[in-house]
Amino acid sequence: AQSVTQLGSHVSVSEGALVLLRCNYSSSVPPYLFWYVQYPNQGLQLLLKYTSAATLVKGINGFEAEFKKSETSFHLTKPSAHMSDAAEYFCAVSRSGGYNKLIFGAGTRLAVHP
Amino acid sequence: GAGVSQSPSNKVTEKGKDVELRCDPISGHTALYWYRQSLGQGLEFLIYFQGNSAPDKSGLPSDRFSAERTGGSVSTLTIQRTQQEDSAVYLCASSLDRGGSLNEQFFGPGTRLTVL
Repeated sequence: AQSVTQLGSHVSVSEGALVLLRCNYSSSVPPYLFWYVQYPNQGLQLLLKYTSAATLVKGINGFEAEFKKSETSFHLTKPSAHMSDAAEYFCAVSRSGGYNKLIFGAGTRLAVHP
Repeated sequence: GAGVSQSPSNKVTEKGKDVELRCDPISGHTALYWYRQSLGQGLEFLIYFQGNSAPDKSGLPSDRFSAERTGGSVSTLTIQRTQQEDSAVYLCASSLDRGGSLNEQFFGPGTRLTVL
């Protein structure tokens, strides 16, 4: 079985500060891992994905995430927060190979204040 | 090009009524997924369609929920005898899903269902 745990349902940072959103996964098979962002009243947009190639993955809008197998983690970071980054972020896991049913974490709402 | 579209964007219904939610995937995408986003349960997988294969219905919460995909394109999610706990945003996604390789799922804006 696969599962995802996102630590912190709400994270607040100042504009220009480091963003760190935590994600830990559980998977009995090699996983694919994803971060999605959801802006208010919009659908989900893929930020980045890990598919067993490079462990440091760069995504859109300056975000990146590092796959650490030993820690079963896939934390999302951005060096400098922007007001437009305020949104809800979801970490997700799927099995490698086969079809791509996504198992999502509970989400982390990011607030950015001036 | 056009993304995944869903209709209606909002649906308010009375407890016990049936509802139909529609999803138009991106043209050429063979895989289609339904997810549900609710306050209590977060984002949950409901059902998956891939080409002519039997759908994976393992996420449907009860037999009141059903879905079909006609002609390998448009999909309809039907909820019979709606209950208040069915209130949620229902999200549809599609992907190319070529064989065993990973393909990005593109999500629609969702249908917000409110059961009174």
